[in-house]
Amino acid sequence: AQKVTQAQTEISVVEKEDVTLDCVYETRDTTYYLFWYKQPPSGELVFLIRRNSFDEQNEISGRYSWNFQKSTSSFNFTITASQVVDSAVYFCALSEALKAAGNKLTFGGGTRVLVKP
Amino acid sequence: DTEVTQTPKHLVMGMTNKKSLKCEQHMGHRAMYWYKQKAKKPPELMFVYSYEKLSINESVPSRFSPECPNSSLLNLHLHALQPEDSALYLCATKDRGLAGAGGEQFFGPGTRLTVL
Repeated sequence: AQKVTQAQTEISVVEKEDVTLDCVYETRDTTYYLFWYKQPPSGELVFLIRRNSFDEQNEISGRYSWNFQKSTSSFNFTITASQVVDSAVYFCALSEALKAAGNKLTFGGGTRVLVKP
Repeated sequence: DTEVTQTPKHLVMGMTNKKSLKCEQHMGHRAMYWYKQKAKKPPELMFVYSYEKLSINESVPSRFSPECPNSSLLNLHLHALQPEDSALYLCATKDRGLAGAGGEQFFGPGTRLTVL
């Protein structure tokens, strides 16, 4: 069975601080996909990134960066120089490659990030 | 157009009412999903449609009835709901149906449902 753990339930920072969100996953599949989604107070889940299990390159997109370490089953997310607009709940998710699984997303519990001005 | 729209935004219904939630997309995506999200919890998968056919039902009670009339539209018919069914209902879409493994799902803004 798949499992995603986000150990931090809530993180509070002051604007311009960096914040790192931890994500640890468990799966028996050799091919899988990892995602990060942002859910602002409005409720919509916003897709941020997808990473394939066979691609361990880290990625940077503006103030966002992701560190994928297959050896430790972790896919951590860093927001650099945080802004108030970054305040949201962030979900890490895992999906199997099997068609029968429906590309079901297994979500972590989410980390609420509060950025104070 | 990269949007998934959902109507209504908010819905209040009694336990004897029949109502429907609607989800629409014009991205040509062939997999469509219904999720339920309770407060302070992650979304939980309810149903998956692939090429307008119901592919996965996550043991959802029959008071929830999904329908996919065409490739752009997904409905969720509600009947005889319970107060514990109050939640945010999210629709999501993914390209290439279930054969295209691993693509990201795009979510709509959700319908916030309250059952009295």
